Amino acid sequence: IAGITQAPTSQILAAGRRMTLRCTQDMRHNAMYWYRQDLGLGLRLIHYSNTAGTTGKGEVPDGYSVSRANTDDFPLTLASAVPSQTSVYFCASSATSGSVDTQYFGPGTRLTVL
Amino acid sequence: GQNIDQPTEMTATEGAIVQINCTYQTSGFNGLFWYQQHAGEAPTFLSYNVLDGLEEKGRFSSFLSRSKGYSYLLLKELQMKDSASYLCAVRGGDYKLSFGAGTTVTVRA
Repeated sequence: IAGITQAPTSQILAAGRRMTLRCTQDMRHNAMYWYRQDLGLGLRLIHYSNTAGTTGKGEVPDGYSVSRANTDDFPLTLASAVPSQTSVYFCASSATSGSVDTQYFGPGTRLTVL
Repeated sequence: GQNIDQPTEMTATEGAIVQINCTYQTSGFNGLFWYQQHAGEAPTFLSYNVLDGLEEKGRFSSFLSRSKGYSYLLLKELQMKDSASYLCAVRGGDYKLSFGAGTTVTVRA
């Protein structure tokens, strides 16, 4: 079934540890995104990639890094996790980064940093 | 910056109609989206408006007025399964989506 997968589903992490959240899509979409969702704040864009080999910063990029080595994968890395990074993380993709393309979301990763 | 406002919560009775308003102030405008999100799940696409007017899709309709920076999502013939959060999102001049905090709709029998 075509779509977006994320791993892990949930994770509890000690502060200071490094963590990579994985995201894979099989729709051959060019654009991919990482959001965090916090109660009362809605979804906020962390990083994005308009096409393989390129990345850009969103609204809240500090403490996070991404890479886009190929079309399908877009991992998000927390180099040294802090408690304020406790959140639900959603990966999304769209066919392109412009026009009328709809973004489709993965199931999310619930991350708790202690 | 982007500013998107929508009510936090709404409650309605099964079979009724509910209208969720969204007002926005953004840098550029390239369309407005509505997403539905059930608790613990991913947002799923409901509707898209880029021109003024009403878009109807079954029980759901979405309206846009660009001059007023205003949209609404209309849910008709409410069902229990419509209990969810509804997210208003605006695609700005940079083609990135900015989301409102979401409106939690509770449908009561």
